[in-house]
Amino acid sequence: DTAVSQTPKYLVTQMGNDKSIKCEQNLGHDTMYWYKQDSKKFLKIMFSYNNKELIINETVPNRFSPKSPDKAHLNLHINSLELGDSAVYFCASSQTLTQGTEAFFGQGTRLTVV
Amino acid sequence: LAKTTQPISMDSYEGQEVNITCSHNNIATNDYITWYQQFPSQGPRFIIQGYKTKVTNEVASLFIPADRKSSTLSLPRVSLSDTAVYYCLVGDPGNQGGKLIFGQGTELSVKP
Repeated sequence: DTAVSQTPKYLVTQMGNDKSIKCEQNLGHDTMYWYKQDSKKFLKIMFSYNNKELIINETVPNRFSPKSPDKAHLNLHINSLELGDSAVYFCASSQTLTQGTEAFFGQGTRLTVV
Repeated sequence: LAKTTQPISMDSYEGQEVNITCSHNNIATNDYITWYQQFPSQGPRFIIQGYKTKVTNEVASLFIPADRKSSTLSLPRVSLSDTAVYYCLVGDPGNQGGKLIFGQGTELSVKP
């Protein structure tokens, strides 16, 4: 069983479209995250949720809206996609908020905006 | 949050021991040192974490000198499958809101 799973794995879309990426973890963790990895391989945190509550929003444009229907799911919705949104997006989870340094990552969603 | 500096790339051969050093001069008292491994087209994977001296697990060893301003990840007898990017992170697990700060990482290439 995959611990942290994201769908889709690849996403190609046109500028201006709205898209969603789904994430689920079956580890029973309390905390979930979204990270963005750009073309230079730098990984930056975007959001973290703890028990469905938003904890971190790292100055991400409000076109990006995370939603956590329950603590096992954290979805990412992106409105009005721009070329600069092209990147690999990783979902991750950790057992608790204070154990964020030991996170489990999904396989990533490669988003290409054309 | 303490900044880390590590070599951009390293080359090695199968069977060798690889040591990747990370500098973190501004490490704070409550900070831990954590290493992640990332294979191409996969998410990062936690390898090891330590606070001081030496930590060893089935994958690697982590050496931290007394001043904690640097750390060394040691991979014994590497194989081709150890080719990956290795990230060194420094932070207080209990006080950083759970976020990881990734640097540029070290791209390790293992050759036959």
